[in-house]
Amino acid sequence: AQKVTQAQTEISVVEKEDVTLDCVYETRDTTYYLFWYKQPPSGELVFLIRRNSFDEQNEISGRYSWNFQKSTSSFNFTITASQVVDSAVYFCALSDWSGYNFNKFYFGSGTKLNVKP
Amino acid sequence: DGGITQSPKYLFRKEGQNVTLSCEQNLNHDAMYWYRQDPGQGLRLIYYSQIVNDFQKGDIAEGYSVSREKKESFPLTVTSAQKNPTAFYLCASSMGQGAGNEQFFGPGTRLTVL
Repeated sequence: AQKVTQAQTEISVVEKEDVTLDCVYETRDTTYYLFWYKQPPSGELVFLIRRNSFDEQNEISGRYSWNFQKSTSSFNFTITASQVVDSAVYFCALSDWSGYNFNKFYFGSGTKLNVKP
Repeated sequence: DGGITQSPKYLFRKEGQNVTLSCEQNLNHDAMYWYRQDPGQGLRLIYYSQIVNDFQKGDIAEGYSVSREKKESFPLTVTSAQKNPTAFYLCASSMGQGAGNEQFFGPGTRLTVL
């Protein structure tokens, strides 16, 4: 069965620290997609990145970077030099083709990041 | 600007009442979704629609109903049969129906039962 686990419920860091948010997924499909979303206090989920299962290259976008490792079924998200504006809940999600004929997302339970000044 | 709008932002309901949450998108997306979020939890799928005049139950459809009469609109009704409706409701849409299409979200409606 598909599952996404975000074991870190809440993380607190001081501004300018680096922080890594963990995401572990389960799927039997060979073709699947992984996503990260940010949910600021306003509530709207903001799309950050999508990765397909055939592309294991790490990606960097400004202070954000993502480490995708199929061998450990992980898709971790690192924020470098964190800022107060990074405070939010971050969700990891999985989408694959198994068993459904629509774009079903499996969401993790989220990690709340608190960045203190 | 393209996007998804939800209204109202806050909604209060008395027990026994039906309420309808609005969701409109101008992204020309075929697929639309409704999710429920409870504190400290992930998102759970209530209903989804892949095309106009068609919709399917998600994981927690009991006590909810939807319609999809227009491509742009996907309203959700929370009926009196929903025993614990207090939650944050998020509407989303995606361009395609297949796996891998990112879902775009609206700002959400916070429903409180008095």
